[in-house]
Amino acid sequence: AQSVAQPEDQVNVAEGNPLTVKCTYSVSGNPYLFWYVQYPNRGLQFLLKYITGDNLVKGSYGFEAEFNKSQTSFHLKKPSALVSDSALYFCAVSRGSSNTGKLIFGQGTTLQVKP
Amino acid sequence: NAGVTQTPKFRILKIGQSMTLQCTQDMNHNYMYWYRQDPGMGLKLIYYSVGAGITDKGEVPNGYNVSRSTTEDFPLRLELAAPSQTSVYFCAHSTLAATDTQYFGPGTRLTVL
Repeated sequence: AQSVAQPEDQVNVAEGNPLTVKCTYSVSGNPYLFWYVQYPNRGLQFLLKYITGDNLVKGSYGFEAEFNKSQTSFHLKKPSALVSDSALYFCAVSRGSSNTGKLIFGQGTTLQVKP
Repeated sequence: NAGVTQTPKFRILKIGQSMTLQCTQDMNHNYMYWYRQDPGMGLKLIYYSVGAGITDKGEVPNGYNVSRSTTEDFPLRLELAAPSQTSVYFCAHSTLAATDTQYFGPGTRLTVL
């Protein structure tokens, strides 16, 4: 069965420092991996995705993520955090052989960036 | 709004009542999804549709029904509301399947008392 794990409920970083939000996955076949961000009382916004090709994926707002097949991970990173990055972040996976686009989400990680 | 509207934004139901959550997208996308979000649990797929007239169950379909008579609309029906259905409901849509980005609506916050 497919699953996604975000091992940290909350990540705290100081503004200007690098940030990492961790995600590991389990899926049969090739995974398609996504990161979404949710601000308070809002829907989810797409940040970036890995489908195939270069393992380092760049996305919106200066975020990037690295696909690591051997470690089945897809960690979200940013070189310099902003207070405005504070939000709830979700990692999600769909199965490459699927034709339905069904996403399995992690439980979410709250990012808190302090001035 | 990512090309999708959801109504209502908030609703309080009594146990046993029924209601329909509306979802409309204006991007002519074939794929539509309903998720529920519970605190600390991420999003769970309730139902999805790959095109007008075609729907299928997701991870947590019990207590819900859907229909897809047009490409634009994908309503979610709760027939006998239960406290366990208290949640935030999100509708999403995409052009293709596994590789495509899903665009989410603003959500409907439902409380069942």
